[in-house]
Amino acid sequence: DTGVSQDPRHKITKRGQNVTFRCDPISEHNRLYWYRQTLGQGPEFLTYFQNEAQLEKSRLLSDRFSAERPKGSFSTLEIQRTEQGDSAMYLCASSLVGSGANVLTFGAGSRLTVL
Amino acid sequence: AQSVTQLDSHVSVSEGTPVLLRCNYSSSYSPSLFWYVQHPNKGLQLLLKYTSAATLVKGINGFEAEFKKSETSFHLTKPSAHMSDAAEYFCVVRNYGGSQGNLIFGKGTKLSVKP
Repeated sequence: DTGVSQDPRHKITKRGQNVTFRCDPISEHNRLYWYRQTLGQGPEFLTYFQNEAQLEKSRLLSDRFSAERPKGSFSTLEIQRTEQGDSAMYLCASSLVGSGANVLTFGAGSRLTVL
Repeated sequence: AQSVTQLDSHVSVSEGTPVLLRCNYSSSYSPSLFWYVQHPNKGLQLLLKYTSAATLVKGINGFEAEFKKSETSFHLTKPSAHMSDAAEYFCVVRNYGGSQGNLIFGKGTKLSVKP
């Protein structure tokens, strides 16, 4: 068990560019979550998957945000046409349904800076 | 709807003195409550959780929290602060509705520990 891994840890981009973040959950976990954390705030839920199915995505911030988990293992979060307001820490977490499903293990996050 | 309010954005204590981080919750259901800690450049780590068993919950690193239904509180305490406790602490309630994801975070309390 190597924990939840996120890549890259830091990303600096120019406004209008697309960015993609990757999350590798704990291998036996079937649920995967994406959260966003802005300065001075607690994490805010964006979306989650159970295996490869995206069960909740209404909290994605706009249609510029999309997430995938094609094989039920790793996940990607893409932000198209980035804006300065997208600057934040993007957190991934995973859990195992039926074994304390509400105990999430978080990764260290991917920090995005949009210039 | 569920929510949590962390009453202090910043708490400063001296090493060896007690720690008290305050949290009030609001929930239509019997809540599941958590405290997470976030150290710089590290992932959120679960300190402890309350899920309607014992009202006094013991967690890692000497932290504990008491669920008080009459006061709708779930304050986090530690008898003696250590320098390594300096971090940001989040009070969290499990969301029973699907629209906001699995967990709802408070805004966080930054704990400083003076030598």
